[in-house]
Amino acid sequence: AQSVTQPDIHITVSEGASLELRCNYSYGATPYLFWYVQSPGQGLQLLLKYFSGDTLVQGIKGFEAEFKRSQSSFNLRKPSVHWSDAAEYFCALAGSNYKLTFGKGTLLTVNP
Amino acid sequence: EAGVTQFPSHSVIEKGQTVTLRCDPISGHDNLYWYRRVMGKEIKFLLHFVKESKQDESGMPNNRFLAERTGGTYSTLKVQPAELEDSGVYFCASSQESLTQYFGPGTRLLVL
Repeated sequence: AQSVTQPDIHITVSEGASLELRCNYSYGATPYLFWYVQSPGQGLQLLLKYFSGDTLVQGIKGFEAEFKRSQSSFNLRKPSVHWSDAAEYFCALAGSNYKLTFGKGTLLTVNP
Repeated sequence: EAGVTQFPSHSVIEKGQTVTLRCDPISGHDNLYWYRRVMGKEIKFLLHFVKESKQDESGMPNNRFLAERTGGTYSTLKVQPAELEDSGVYFCASSQESLTQYFGPGTRLLVL
């Protein structure tokens, strides 16, 4: 069975600080990995995805994520957080059947 | 290009009533997915259409839920009769090649 764990339910950072959101997965083969963001009142927006190749993936809004097979992780990072980044972030995995398995989400609060 | 749209954005109904949610995928996307997030839980897969055919409905909770996709275009998800535990946010997503799914804004359903 496949699963995704986001260990941090809620993270608070100051504007301008760096950010790392953790994601660990369990899957028997190479997974397809995604990060989505849901801003207040909005739907899920795709930030970035990893299918194969370069393990450091660049996404929109200045986000990047690194796939580490040895650690079964796909952590999301941003060097300098903006107030508009306050949102809920979801890590997701797709196996060969394409349906997404999501983590429980990490709520990001940005302090001015 | 228009994104995935969902209607209504919010619905409040009483237990035992019927509700129908609608999803219009991105034009040309053969794959359409329904997901649900119950309060405090992770987003979970409900079912997957390829054109008008149900590819995978393993996530449908019970036979009170009926999904259809007319002519391979829009899809409806009917809940009849609705129960309190059906409250949550229902997301629709579509994709062209199955791997990258684009989500709609969701329908927030509250069953009283």
